[in-house]
Amino acid sequence: DQQVKQNSPSLSVQEGRISILNCDYTNSMFDYFLWYKKYPAEGPTFLISISSIKDKNEDGRFTVFLNKSAKHLSLHIVPSQPGDSAVYFCAAILPSGGSYIPTFGRGTSLIVHP
Amino acid sequence: DAGVTQSPTHLIKTRGQQVTLRCSPKSGHDTVSWYQQALGQGPQFIFQYYEEEERQRGNFPDRFSGHQFPNYSSELNVNALLLGDSALYLCASSPRAWGGSPLHFGNGTRLTVT
Repeated sequence: DQQVKQNSPSLSVQEGRISILNCDYTNSMFDYFLWYKKYPAEGPTFLISISSIKDKNEDGRFTVFLNKSAKHLSLHIVPSQPGDSAVYFCAAILPSGGSYIPTFGRGTSLIVHP
Repeated sequence: DAGVTQSPTHLIKTRGQQVTLRCSPKSGHDTVSWYQQALGQGPQFIFQYYEEEERQRGNFPDRFSGHQFPNYSSELNVNALLLGDSALYLCASSPRAWGGSPLHFGNGTRLTVT
């Protein structure tokens, strides 16, 4: 049973437009959320994170929004660039005595067309 | 500053065989986690090592075992390989005293079981 769900396997966007990637979770005890980006033949790389005490975190073209009541977060990329084409994983962390074990979603493949 | 390095990059094994995958963490990191990423799935947590001991384990059978060495490098061993063990195996490192720093992943080992 997936605790972190990314229901859209793929997303196609035109260069310069906004990309919105969505993520839902089922465990209300998750208190920290991250987005990772993965290119083919490479490992995932950290993109942006948000604590459950916030509802928005911004870093350049990337913004993550958290809606705790809906157990939903989203990643906005504005403007989208062809180099953003990758698989994006949403991950969530339970508070666990100093341990750090993210639970990952299945990923969304973003394609940004020039 | 070298990041997380994994070897080998690719491996082909036959059902029933045993395999050992290796990981060197990022400099300054003392905690190593292993993940399995099957095709079309997100990374699934196998186990985490620090201070040379397995500290947490995901939902994987005992055929999956590991080791951490005094220099913090780690090995993942899989015995009695099954076709379903074919996947990308990712190693990730982090500092034990997590202050919100994300996991750093290697590029993975692609294991094919025939």
